[in-house]
Amino acid sequence: ELKVEQNPLFLSMQEGKNYTIYCNYSTTSDRLYWYRQDPGKSLESLFVLLSNGAVKQEGRLMASLDTKARLSTLHITAAVHDLSATYFCAVDMRFGAGTRLTVKP
Amino acid sequence: NAGVTQTPKFQVLKTGQSMTLQCAQDMNHEYMSWYRQDPGMGLRLIHYSVGAGITDQGEVPNGYNVSRSTTEDFPLRLLSAAPSQTSVYFCASSYSMWGTNTGELFFGEGSRLTVL
Repeated sequence: ELKVEQNPLFLSMQEGKNYTIYCNYSTTSDRLYWYRQDPGKSLESLFVLLSNGAVKQEGRLMASLDTKARLSTLHITAAVHDLSATYFCAVDMRFGAGTRLTVKP
Repeated sequence: NAGVTQTPKFQVLKTGQSMTLQCAQDMNHEYMSWYRQDPGMGLRLIHYSVGAGITDQGEVPNGYNVSRSTTEDFPLRLLSAAPSQTSVYFCASSYSMWGTNTGELFFGEGSRLTVL
């Protein structure tokens, strides 16, 4: 059975700091997705990673995929308050538990 | 452009009642799915469909039925509601999950269900 694991599950950061969220999965797949969810809202797509070594960047967020290690990372650079949200990774229609990110001034 | 539309947004049921959550998309997407979201558990796949007339079970299908008579609609039926089905339900769609399509999911706004 496919398992998708994220860590950490909770992350409190100060503005301006860097951090990485990790997503491990248990099956062979060359596609991985990152979504963002604001409190009380729906999910919106952040990144679509479609092959080994794929790297996507949007503003202060950068996502990468290593299919051999079955690992994706979401790197946050110089965090700002607007990045506070829950981030999910997903593989083959299965989602991780989510990482709740809080960025403090 | 409506995207994925879910109704109702909020619903309170008594144990044993039945109801249907509606989901419609206007993007001509082949793939549609239902998830439930519970605190600390991410999203869990209930049922999905890869096209009209085709449905399959996900991770947590018990207590739920689906049908896909048209490309646009994918209703989720609760047969006999239980308190364990209290959750937020999301419908999602994608053009296709395979081949050259990205498989990116587009989500509805969610339906918050409480079963007393």
